[in-house]
Amino acid sequence: QVQLQESGPGLVKPSETLSLTCTVSGGSISSGGYYWSWVRQHPGKGLEWIGYIYYSGSTYYNPSLNSRLNISVDTSKNQFSLKLSSVTAADTAVYYCARSSRSGYYTSPWGQGTLVTVSS
Amino acid sequence: QSALTQPASVSGSPGQSITISCTGTSSDVGGYTFVSWYQQYPGKAPKLIISEVSNRPSGVSTRFSGSKSDNTASLTISGLQAEDEADYYCSSYTSSSPSYVFGTGTKVTVL
Repeated sequence: QVQLQESGPGLVKPSETLSLTCTVSGGSISSGGYYWSWVRQHPGKGLEWIGYIYYSGSTYYNPSLNSRLNISVDTSKNQFSLKLSSVTAADTAVYYCARSSRSGYYTSPWGQGTLVTVSS
Repeated sequence: QSALTQPASVSGSPGQSITISCTGTSSDVGGYTFVSWYQQYPGKAPKLIISEVSNRPSGVSTRFSGSKSDNTASLTISGLQAEDEADYYCSSYTSSSPSYVFGTGTKVTVL
């Protein structure tokens, strides 16, 4: 079955760019029918949609992050990536990558999540 | 883009049934049948338990059921068990960008 795994630095300095990659196994990003999503969860808080990408490269971003956000896809590596620029302590969170259905708008499966701390 | 409204906490005794509400607007919950529910244990990733209002993915207990009326969706857990103690989030398609919105989350406590 499809599995997702986040990777990237766990510590980022303020004002720098947070970069994460999600590697998909057990299925192809290019198969269609799914969006590839990023979701974050601030410590002790709820879930927040960051955005998602289709294998063609079409992206949809949370308006609150739009100016700092870039999501890209590399179909040759079966990976998609997140870049969030000019980070502050408010961007400290667990970041999840996940697969979202285009037809049913539900999300499954999810990666295990990775904690990114913004601190000097 | 406002989060969907859920009660902060719901509790029940083993064997009882509980219901978690998820209130939105006609632009999300009320306008579409794309409501999903997720269960999250501490330190773990969310897990899909209900899709498209009332569909249960393979492997999810039949004790979980979903419904929707107007702008409010509901998740019912019947025959409450200790293992159901977790956080639960609803989500819906929304006509606003970026097309998905989560609920505020509900902590379920089994007394």
